Parts: sequence; structure tokens; C-alpha cells
Amino acid sequence: QVQLQESGPGLVKPSQTLSLTCTVSGGSIGSGRYYWSWIRQPAGKGLEWIGRISTSGSTNYNPSLQSRVTISVDTPKNQFSLKLSSVTAADTAVYFCARADTVLPDYWGQGTLVTVSS
Amino acid sequence: QSALTQPASVSGSPGQSITISCTGTSSDVGGYNYVAWYQHHPGKAPKIMIFDVNKRPSGVSNRFSGSKSGNTASLTISGLQAEDEADYFCCSYAGSRSFVVFGGGTELTVL
Repeated sequence: QVQLQESGPGLVKPSQTLSLTCTVSGGSIGSGRYYWSWIRQPAGKGLEWIGRISTSGSTNYNPSLQSRVTISVDTPKNQFSLKLSSVTAADTAVYFCARADTVLPDYWGQGTLVTVSS
Repeated sequence: QSALTQPASVSGSPGQSITISCTGTSSDVGGYNYVAWYQHHPGKAPKIMIFDVNKRPSGVSNRFSGSKSGNTASLTISGLQAEDEADYFCCSYAGSRSFVVFGGGTELTVL
């Protein structure tokens, strides 16, 4: 059974870069047809898809975040990462990592809260 | 505001059936047969219950079923059980620009 776990700072200052890592267990991140995704949910609001990366390294991003987002993969460590630059309070959210089989997510992490505050 | 519209809450008694709707547009729900439903207990990882509109992953009870008509997808849970109490949200493919959109989530209460 594939499991995903998010990790990273829970507090980021405004204008800085948010960095999160997702560690995958129960399967190799470099095998198969999967996409590795980041999704977030601000408190009291709906989920927002941030972007995804394939095992070959090709990426797709939400157009509304594209100028600030970078998703990368570290196959030897079985991890993938999210960087979101120039953060503001509006970026405060629970951030989820997920695997997508073909198009939509199937396995998810439990999420990690990131607060943007000085 | 979420791209897909779900009711904020639904409720039912044990043994009853409930249906949760997920309304989008012809650019997402209505345009593709890529709709998924997830069960989410806060603080835990969301669990996929339905994919590709009406397919159940291995291990998911056959009490859960999905369907779609036009721009609206639906999740039906039959024979409600106390353990079904959770948040449920839908997700749809939205084309090669927006990719993935979500519903705002529905809180299911088992009375």
C-alpha cells in the first residue's frame, strides 16, 4: 500500500519561499505511469490543485500559481517537493501531496498546515 | 469559491441511502469521464471511494456508487453506517489548462 507523508516548516514569513517535501513509501516513485501532485486547502475553503510532476520530470501547474510554483522529484530519495515563492497570508493552508494514476489523485498524504505570518 | 458545487451538508439515518451531488460545467464534469469521490476524516489522508465516475477501487464497499448526468456527478451511499460519517468531496479533470478542480466538500452526518 502506497503511503505519502508531507514534511516541512509549519511557519513561513511573508515574501519568503514555502518549501515542502513528500516522502513516498510502499512503492518506487520512479516506476510506473504516475503523476505526483500537490494540493492545498485554506481554512474553511475548498481544495485547490497546485500542480504535478511525472516520473520523467515533466510538470503542469495551476495557471493561477504558475509564476510562483516549482515541483521537483528526487527519485533516489523517493521524494518530491514543492516550492512556492513570495508567499502571503493567502497561502496559509493545509498542503497535501498525492499520487495521481492517469489523471486524478488516488493516494494522499494526511496534509500539513503551513501558516504564513511574521 | 470552489469550481465544483456540492451541498455543504447532508444527513441520514443508519440503513438509509443518501446522494451527494457535484455540479460543474461542460469544461470539467460534463466534458470528461474523470470524476472521483473521496472520503475525508479531518486530520487523516483522504481516501478515494470512486474513480472514473462510477468505478470502485479494490476494498471499497459496494454500498458506495457513482454516476453522472450532464454536468452533475453524484455519489450515493446505501445502507448508511455510523462509520460513513465524514466529509466527502468530488474532483474532476478540467482539461489541459486547469487540469484538476475540486468541490467544496459535503459533511455527512449519520443521525
